[in-house]
Amino acid sequence: AQSVTQLGSHVSVSEGALVLLRCNYSSSVPPYLFWYVQYPNQGLQLLLKYTSAATLVKGINGFEAEFKKSETSFHLTKPSAHMSDAAEYFCAVSGQNQGGKLIFGQGTELSVKP
Amino acid sequence: NAGVTQTPKFQVLKTGQSMTLQCAQDMNHNSMYWYRQDPGMGLRLIYYSASEGTTDKGEVPNGYNVSRLNKREFSLRLESAAPSQTSVYFCASRPPGTVSGNTIYFGEGSWLTVV
Repeated sequence: AQSVTQLGSHVSVSEGALVLLRCNYSSSVPPYLFWYVQYPNQGLQLLLKYTSAATLVKGINGFEAEFKKSETSFHLTKPSAHMSDAAEYFCAVSGQNQGGKLIFGQGTELSVKP
Repeated sequence: NAGVTQTPKFQVLKTGQSMTLQCAQDMNHNSMYWYRQDPGMGLRLIYYSASEGTTDKGEVPNGYNVSRLNKREFSLRLESAAPSQTSVYFCASRPPGTVSGNTIYFGEGSWLTVV
């Protein structure tokens, strides 16, 4: 069975500081991994995805994530936080032949302090 | 380009009432999904439909029914609403093909409160 764990339900950073949101997964098959962002009262927007190509994946809004198979991790980073990055972030996993169904982590709320 | 459209956006129900959440996508996607989002639990799959005419249970199907009316539309019905079904509901769809790495696109969500 697949699962996703996001470490830290709330993360607070100062504007301009590094953003690091942690995601670990478990999967018995090579996974596809996703990060979605949700702004207040809105739907989910794809930030980036890993689909077995390059292990370092670049997404929108300056975010990137690195797939580390040995650590079963897919942490999300951004070098310099902006106030507009304040949102909830979800890591999700999908396996091959799973019909595209996503298993989500519990989410991490990112706050950015001025 | 509307993408995935859900209605209604907000709804308050009394315990025991029934209602249907409507979802339509205009991207010619085969697969459609219904998720619910609860604080601290992420999104959990209620039902999904791999193609027109097929539906399957997800992680939390109890208390819900679905209908894949045609390729565009996938509705979620609560037959007898319970307070535990207070949640935010998201419809989603995925492009055709067998690659699970295809991106899933989400609607804007439906906020449901059962009192």
